[in-house]
Amino acid sequence: EVQLVESGGGLVQPGRSLRLSCAASGFTFDDYAMHWVRQAPGKGLEWVSGISWNSGSIGYADSVKGRFTISRDNAKNSLYLQMNSLRAEDTALYYCAKAQWHGTLSAFDIWGQGTMVTVSS
Amino acid sequence: SYVLTQPPSVSVAPGQTARITCGGNNIGSKSVHWYQQKPGQAPVLVVYDDSDRPSGIPERFSGSNSGNTATLTISRVEAGDEADYYCQVWDSSSDHRGVFGGGTKLTVL
Repeated sequence: EVQLVESGGGLVQPGRSLRLSCAASGFTFDDYAMHWVRQAPGKGLEWVSGISWNSGSIGYADSVKGRFTISRDNAKNSLYLQMNSLRAEDTALYYCAKAQWHGTLSAFDIWGQGTMVTVSS
Repeated sequence: SYVLTQPPSVSVAPGQTARITCGGNNIGSKSVHWYQQKPGQAPVLVVYDDSDRPSGIPERFSGSNSGNTATLTISRVEAGDEADYYCQVWDSSSDHRGVFGGGTKLTVL
C-alpha cells in the first residue's frame, strides 16, 4: 500500500524552529519528486516547497523562502522540512505529497494525513 | 504572481451536473490539476493534466481547459461528492512555484 506518514509537528514559540519528517512506503521513493503543502485552519491549500527525485531542483513559496529548507534522504525513503524563524502565520496542517513524476512540475497523486504545526507564545 | 480564481460555492441537486470553474490568465496554456477534499481528510487528486483521471476516479469526473478558464465537471452528482474542490497549476513565470485556487465548496442539495 502506498503511504506517506508525516511527523514532527507540535506547538512552538514564534522565532523557534521545527523539523518535519515524512516517511514513504509502498513505492520507489527515489523515482518521484516530493512536496510539502499546508492548510491553515479553515483555509485553503498552499504549496510550500518541492524537491525533485535527485534533489537537483528545489522550489519554495515566497512566504517561506529563506526560512524553510526542504530535503530528502532516498536511502531512508524520507522527506524533511526544516522550518526556522517560525511565525504565527505558519500555523497550519502540513501535508507531504508525492508527485506523479520524477520532476517537480506534476500533480500530487498521493497525500499523507498531515502533521499540525501551531506557532504561538 | 499567478492567481487562480474559483467561486466560493456551487450548489447542485443529486443527479444533476456540477461545473466548477478556475480562472487564470491564459490558463489554457497550462496543465490544470483538480483535488477533492472532504472534511477532516487529506486532498485526493480527481483530474490531472486538464482532463485525465487517476485510476479509481469515476468517469463522472471530467475536466476541460481553454482560454482563461478551466472547468471541473461532475456528472450525475451524488451526496458523496459534497466536498471542497481545488484547482492547481505550476507558475512557470515565477521559478515554477505551485499555485492553488481558493477552493470551491460543492453542496449537494
